[in-house]
Amino acid sequence: DQQVKQNSPSLSVQEGRISILNCDYTNSMFDYFLWYKKYPAEGPTFLISISSIKDKNEDGRFTVFLNKSAKHLSLHIVPSQPGDSAVYFCAASELNNDMRFGAGTRLTVKP
Amino acid sequence: NAGVTQTPKFQVLKTGQSMTLQCAQDMNHNSMYWYRQDPGMGLRLIYYSASEGTTDKGEVPNGYNVSRLNKREFSLRLESAAPSQTSVYFCASSEEDKNIQYFGAGTRLSVL
Repeated sequence: DQQVKQNSPSLSVQEGRISILNCDYTNSMFDYFLWYKKYPAEGPTFLISISSIKDKNEDGRFTVFLNKSAKHLSLHIVPSQPGDSAVYFCAASELNNDMRFGAGTRLTVKP
Repeated sequence: NAGVTQTPKFQVLKTGQSMTLQCAQDMNHNSMYWYRQDPGMGLRLIYYSASEGTTDKGEVPNGYNVSRLNKREFSLRLESAAPSQTSVYFCASSEEDKNIQYFGAGTRLSVL
């Protein structure tokens, strides 16, 4: 059972515009959420996280929003840059349990 | 600063062969993990080790064994490889269990 879902396999945006990547989850006990970024032939690298006690966390061009009632989180990248082109994984964990990952969204930022 | 190092990067096996994937981290992390990534699916946890000397099953442990050799090293063994184990395998580590994880570059394994 996929507890974390990223329903868009791919997203294409123009350089300078906003990229919005979405993630839905089914387990209401998840209390910590993360976004990872992955380039080809590399491992995923941590990008940004948010605790369930917050609804927003910002780090430079990256902002994660959490809507607990909808069991939905999103990653906003503003402005998008060609170097942001990568696969983005959403992940969620529950205290003392395994981290669950979504299938990933491939973002392409066109110059 | 190497971080998490996995060897080999690529491997082709025949059905029934065995092999060990190696992972080492130089960040003095307590916890280490093995994941597999298949097309259209997220990373799935095979085994993890919360600290030296302990290992626990994850979501998809069948067909695998692990050894936490010391604090730095965590190996994954396939005793009798099957085509269903064709995947990309990632090792990761974190300071504490369930904290932010740092990943290696992966091992791409094909079982024919």
